[in-house]
Amino acid sequence: GAVVSQHPSWVICKSGTSVKIECRSLDFQATTMFWYRQFPKQSLMLMATSNEGSKATYEQGVEKDKFLINHASLTLSTLTVTSAHPEDSSFYICRPSGDQYEQYFGPGTRLTVT
Amino acid sequence: EDQVTQSPEALRLQEGESSSLNCSYTVSGLRGLFWYRQDPGKGPEFLFTLYSAGEEKEKERLKATLTKKESFLHITAPKPEDSATYLCAVQAGYTGNQFYFGTGTSLTVIP
Repeated sequence: GAVVSQHPSWVICKSGTSVKIECRSLDFQATTMFWYRQFPKQSLMLMATSNEGSKATYEQGVEKDKFLINHASLTLSTLTVTSAHPEDSSFYICRPSGDQYEQYFGPGTRLTVT
Repeated sequence: EDQVTQSPEALRLQEGESSSLNCSYTVSGLRGLFWYRQDPGKGPEFLFTLYSAGEEKEKERLKATLTKKESFLHITAPKPEDSATYLCAVQAGYTGNQFYFGTGTSLTVIP
């Protein structure tokens, strides 16, 4: 199956700082990248969709100035949580999508803001 | 309204006790139905993709089936290591970018 990596897998930061999360598709080209957030015991919530080289499209209620998404290449996308606050603590998961039929998710990044 | 519903929310089975998880959906333009396994603190692990009614796929103790309205994930003689949350997702829409998730079934297999 396709390999997707995320880095870091776990990060703790202080309130007010910014955190960057990387998502890489290791064996296929991801023309589209989906970023999700998952709170404990809840399902995945789509935050934004980005196409390579284009600006991301954000779901209703997701602040685009807070969650900066860069999808500069077909194998790498980044999500930057700016001025993080404790309520941003969550599990962030990417899903790169290309021509493959199966849809694979990244292993996730646990963000804790203190 | 496009919707994906999973049942039951939680399921406790004795080791070896077979059962089925349900995923019912109402979407326009189904492109695929996906089953994932998710362990605590990890991203969803791909299990199966089903594309058309009547299709079945198997992997070890798991078998997924699809009708025009729902999918079942059958677990035969489960083991404790099968304990996890099982997520169903439906891919729909013209571009295939619409991905609807169910809320998951939390499975616990007791030794």
